[in-house]
Amino acid sequence: QSALTQPPSASGSPGQSVTISCTGSSSDVGGYNYVSWFQQHPGKAPKVMIYEVNKRPSGVPDRFSGSKSGNTASLIVSGLQPEDEADYYCSSYAGSNNLLFGGGTKLTVL
Amino acid sequence: EVQVLESGGGLAQPGGSLRLSCAASGFTFSDYAMNWVRQGPEKGLEWVSGISAGGANLYYADSVRGRFTVSRDNSRNILYLQMNSLRAEDTALYYCAKRFGSCLSAVCPNFDYWGPGTLVTVSS
Repeated sequence: QSALTQPPSASGSPGQSVTISCTGSSSDVGGYNYVSWFQQHPGKAPKVMIYEVNKRPSGVPDRFSGSKSGNTASLIVSGLQPEDEADYYCSSYAGSNNLLFGGGTKLTVL
Repeated sequence: EVQVLESGGGLAQPGGSLRLSCAASGFTFSDYAMNWVRQGPEKGLEWVSGISAGGANLYYADSVRGRFTVSRDNSRNILYLQMNSLRAEDTALYYCAKRFGSCLSAVCPNFDYWGPGTLVTVSS
């Protein structure tokens, strides 16, 4: 199975909102509500920001939200902060005990 | 405090073997599924393998099936990844990740704790 499709880059100014998409198929993103988003700063391990499409772990700012429509999931970051600059990866259960990641999106805060 | 810490990485020749370990603490290890995820140099994340909480159910990505074996020792709180027939494309930073919450599979992407990773380099 192919990786999920994410835009390689996204950007926004402080205080603005940005949306990162993650496109899969009916066999993964569209078929299950098990989509997560991970934030990764350079040299650091990934950190879960959203799980099960739109749930936010404790400690994650409510500026981060998730949604899904059909085969595309989205991460919305509102009120951009400088510390939000990082790589973001989506991930989805893909059936048959398989897991897919997206290629990653580099978010730049201008 | 929950911690997971990988070890065992290093340089291996093509066709060689390595065994990675992931030591867990701060939570009831035997209650949680665990997974291995890798990240090649300047590349994205790739799921490698998962194992159920009790260790009975094992799962692999197509790219490693038949070459890698995941296991766990719940008495010692350690997760393992035995890597055989290594290839250059296996070169990556290998993370272990703890799964949280209820899910229909051990390999759902509900990963709340990750280790710092251990680097595996496959080269002659």
